[in-house]
Amino acid sequence: GAVVSQHPSWVICKSGTSVKIECRSLDFQATTMFWYRQFPKQSLMLMATSNEGSKATYEQGVEKDKFLINHASLTLSTLTVTSAHPEDSSFYICSASPLGGYTFGSGTRLTVV
Amino acid sequence: AQSVTQLGSHVSVSEGALVLLRCNYSSSVPPYLFWYVQYPNQGLQLLLKYTTGATLVKGINGFEAEFKKSETSFHLTKPSAHMSDAAEYFCAVSDRDNQGGKLIFGQGTELSVKP
Repeated sequence: GAVVSQHPSWVICKSGTSVKIECRSLDFQATTMFWYRQFPKQSLMLMATSNEGSKATYEQGVEKDKFLINHASLTLSTLTVTSAHPEDSSFYICSASPLGGYTFGSGTRLTVV
Repeated sequence: AQSVTQLGSHVSVSEGALVLLRCNYSSSVPPYLFWYVQYPNQGLQLLLKYTTGATLVKGINGFEAEFKKSETSFHLTKPSAHMSDAAEYFCAVSDRDNQGGKLIFGQGTELSVKP
């Protein structure tokens, strides 16, 4: 079945540094991937839609310069949290949609200290 | 625009009892509806989905859901709860079932199962 691999599973970084999260589709090509953010005990909020070979589409209220998305190939999308601050600490999940349905990565727990 | 409302942020049932998690949706186009389960610090696993056709959808782990257009509902049920069913459940809606469609989630319902 369709598998999406997300890496790393968890990361701790210092305030002011940048962190890159990778999302790979292992057995299918994904022209579109989605990035979500989830706060504790809350739902998934769509941050942006990542499009292969073009700019990402960000949801209202999401800072484009803070959350950089690159979708350079049909199997890889990356989310870079730039100049991270403690309020960026969250659970980030990527998703892709193979032919029929949506498949999610296992998520990345980001803690900014 | 599409939206999803899950009634009840927390549901508690006894082991062996009926599980009922409520979901209502709003959509200006024919909806595609999904139920996902999430265990702590993990991604989402698809339980079942409704696209077209039969309105009663059977999923994994004994779960099923019925699409009721007149009630704009897609409630999730399971006849007999197991301890392993304790998790967070999300209902979601999209305008399609393939690449490019946004998946909009409800607020989630935490299911607790008492022995």
